[in-house]
Amino acid sequence: QVQLQESGPGLVKPSQTLSLTCTVSGGSISSGSYYWSWIRQPAGKGLEWIGRIYASGSTNYNPSLKSRVTISVDTSKNQFSLKLSSVTAADTAVYYCTRATELELDIWGQGTMVTVSS
Amino acid sequence: SYELTQPPSVSVSPGQTASITCSGHKLGDKYASWYQQKPGQSPVLVIYQDTKRPSGIPERFSGSNSGNTATLTISGTQAMDEADYYCQAWDSSTVVFGGGAKLTVL
Repeated sequence: QVQLQESGPGLVKPSQTLSLTCTVSGGSISSGSYYWSWIRQPAGKGLEWIGRIYASGSTNYNPSLKSRVTISVDTSKNQFSLKLSSVTAADTAVYYCTRATELELDIWGQGTMVTVSS
Repeated sequence: SYELTQPPSVSVSPGQTASITCSGHKLGDKYASWYQQKPGQSPVLVIYQDTKRPSGIPERFSGSNSGNTATLTISGTQAMDEADYYCQAWDSSTVVFGGGAKLTVL
């Protein structure tokens, strides 16, 4: 079965760029009509959608984050990645990668905690 | 931007029926999904396309969506169902989540 695993630095300095990678196992990132998404959740708060990418490279982003977000895909490595620029303490959160259909997010990674602090 | 509103908390006695609502403008014209999140764990999809249950989700979980409100219903609620529940819909190619509802089984 398909599994997702996030990886990347757990600590990022303010004003720098947060970079995370999601590795997909148990299936090809290019197969099926799936999107690959990033979600985040600050401690004690709700879920916030960051954006999604299709294997072809087409993307959609949360309008509130669009100016700072880039999501990319590497089909040869079966991975997709998130870059969030100019981070502040408000970007401190658990970041999840997910598989998505057109309508729902059906498989989630375990999440990775990212803290923005000097 | 589109908004989904959930009650912050819902309480239910063991064995009773819990109903968690999610409100949004003409939400019934969209598909709603529901996610369960227990402390320290990733969210899990429990209802999709308004009424469907993924494999492995108990039959006591059901959903409906009409007008401006989607509802997650848990029949015969068990202690293990205590968790945060989030509704979700798509609007203009973006994902929208409700603020989450904490279900307490007491």
